[in-house]
Amino acid sequence: GQNIDQPTEMTATEGAIVQINCTYQTSGFNGLFWYQQHAGEAPTFLSYNVLDGLEEKGRFSSFLSRSKGYSYLLLKELQMKDSASYLCAVEEAGNMLTFGGGTRLMVKP
Amino acid sequence: SAVISQKPSRDICQRGTSLTIQCQVDSQVTMMFWYRQQPGQSLTLIATANQGSEATYESGFVIDKFPISRPNLTFSTLTVSNMSPEDSSIYLCSVTPSGAYNEQFFGPGTRLTVL
Repeated sequence: GQNIDQPTEMTATEGAIVQINCTYQTSGFNGLFWYQQHAGEAPTFLSYNVLDGLEEKGRFSSFLSRSKGYSYLLLKELQMKDSASYLCAVEEAGNMLTFGGGTRLMVKP
Repeated sequence: SAVISQKPSRDICQRGTSLTIQCQVDSQVTMMFWYRQQPGQSLTLIATANQGSEATYESGFVIDKFPISRPNLTFSTLTVSNMSPEDSSIYLCSVTPSGAYNEQFFGPGTRLTVL
């Protein structure tokens, strides 16, 4: 099975940078996903990391360290619309995902 | 990417009844999954919908309660049987498009309330 931990809630200021951490303990690991989910909507894909290192995609970056069982999602130049839940998910064999509890991010003016 | 639709988008059902949720994709996909998201919670995988064979269920989920069909590469159904209020949840299908191994896309979800 998988154990995936991320903070429950975070608050940040518009224009700032925020880092959302995710740690996992697993017997098997193919990759790690980050999803964004606005209230009442389906999750939308943000990033997928397989190799160690940083993947940058616009204002969002995702980092993975397989040896440490650790990932983070970095959001730069925060906007009010970035207020959402951010879900860390570990991919097991066969594309199956196990999700963490999600981090609810609140961006304040 | 893939365009995914689910029917119904929401429903209110009586205890003891069953509801079948449909998931339709606009292109052939390799993998289809069903997830549950209970109020205020993250997503939990129910099962993998296998085309042409029985679904593969995760621990805690059984075929009698959540029968799944996948008759072709673009369509799947999930039935929530003999419902109780504890089944009130959002049910989401997700797909991995053919040739897009890394990305998994989610449907809009079906919000189910059981009275």
